[in-house]
Amino acid sequence: DQQVKQNSPSLSVQEGRISILNCDYTNSMFDYFLWYKKYPAEGPTFLISISSIKDKNEDGRFTVFLNKSAKHLSLHIVPSQPGDSAVYFCAGRWGGYQKVTFGIGTKLQVIP
Amino acid sequence: DGGITQSPKYLFRKEGQNVTLSCEQNLNHDAMYWYRQDPGQGLRLIYYSQIVNDFQKGDIAEGYSVSREKKESFPLTVTSAQKNPTAFYLCASSSSSGGAYNEQFFGPGTRLTVL
Repeated sequence: DQQVKQNSPSLSVQEGRISILNCDYTNSMFDYFLWYKKYPAEGPTFLISISSIKDKNEDGRFTVFLNKSAKHLSLHIVPSQPGDSAVYFCAGRWGGYQKVTFGIGTKLQVIP
Repeated sequence: DGGITQSPKYLFRKEGQNVTLSCEQNLNHDAMYWYRQDPGQGLRLIYYSQIVNDFQKGDIAEGYSVSREKKESFPLTVTSAQKNPTAFYLCASSSSSGGAYNEQFFGPGTRLTVL
């Protein structure tokens, strides 16, 4: 049962343009949603989070939007840079603790 | 430097052998986790520990065992009962709280290949 779904396995964007990564979830008990970024052969690094009571959180070039009625969240990267090329994992936290369920990831390629 | 160390980076074992993956952190985090990554599967939680001498099964604990005798260390043993042990294994740690999300810090991972 995939509680967090990232339906786009890959995405290519021109440098300077906006990257939009999408994520859907089924577990209504998630209280936080997270985005992690991962380079090959490395561990993921935390990017940004959003509480389930918010609809937007922004950190520099990264903005996460949450639509609870649609059970959908998205990560916007503006402007996209070649160094943003990586796999992005969407995840949800539930149980009031740090247990996290990850999606399968979306590979972003930013073309110079 | 504070961080998480996983060793070795690459590990090869013969089928039927148990193998232990090391994970050490000096971030003074209470919570530690083990994940497995397979192609097209994302990260799946194997075991997690909220505090020393306590740990819980994650979503795919069968064929694995852990111990948490020290705050800094959370070794994972892949036993011969694990049907498909070849994978990329990631260890993580975080502060432990029931409030706002505390990010998990990941180690560089260990790629285990069972021949």
